[in-house]
Amino acid sequence: GENVEQHPSTLSVQEGDSAVIKCTYSDSASNYFPWYKQELGKGPQLIIDIRSNVGEKKDQRIAVTLNKTAKHFSLHITETQPEDSAVYFCAASTNNAGNMLTFGGGTRLMVKP
Amino acid sequence: DAGVIQSPRHEVTEMGQEVTLRCKPISGHNSLFWYRQTMMRGLELLIYFNNNVPIDDSGMPEDRFSAKMPNASFSTLKIQPSEPRDSAVYFCASNDRVRGYTFGSGTRLTVV
Repeated sequence: GENVEQHPSTLSVQEGDSAVIKCTYSDSASNYFPWYKQELGKGPQLIIDIRSNVGEKKDQRIAVTLNKTAKHFSLHITETQPEDSAVYFCAASTNNAGNMLTFGGGTRLMVKP
Repeated sequence: DAGVIQSPRHEVTEMGQEVTLRCKPISGHNSLFWYRQTMMRGLELLIYFNNNVPIDDSGMPEDRFSAKMPNASFSTLKIQPSEPRDSAVYFCASNDRVRGYTFGSGTRLTVV
C-alpha cells in the first residue's frame, strides 16, 4: 500500500520568512495530493491540493509543487504570519477523486512574531 | 452548509462503559471515514463507508470497536467496553469524490 513520509516534524520560522514542508510517497499510481491545516482543537482543513497532471499550484501565499519522477511534493508558505502556526498534513491517493487518503505524520509549524 | 457534524465534542467515561460517537456527513457526500488521532500514532483510519456500505474496516483496533451507517446522513462509532488506551480524538470525515475530505471538529474521548 501507499506510504507517505513527511519532513520536518517541527518547523520554527520568524514571521515574514518562508516555510517549506516536504513529503514523499511510495506508490507511483498516486495521482491526488491534498494538504491539510489543523489548528488547536479543530479538525484538519483542506487548504490546497494538486493532481498529478499539474506540476505546481498557487493560492495567495501558499503553493504546492509536485515531482512525479522523484515521487515527492512540497508545501510552500511565503510571508508567514502567526496565524499560520498549526499542524500541517500532506496526503496522497491513488483515486483521482481523493478517496482513501494516506496521510503523512504531520509538521508542527510555529511562526514567531 | 454546516459541514460535518460530530457529537459529542467531549466525552469522559469510566473504563468498561460503552461509548457511542456520532457523525452527520455533508449532504450529498457518499463516502464517510472514521479516524483516530493520538500523539503517538497520528491520524489512523479506522473504517470507511461508500454509499453507506462498509468498505474497509481493517483499521478497527479490535472487536470492541464497531461502526454503522444506517443511512446517508448518519453514522456511529461504538466502543464497548471502553479502555483507557482508547483515549484519543476521533474524527469523522466525508468526501464527494471530487476533492479531499471534509473533517468534522472531532470528539475528544477520555476513558478513566
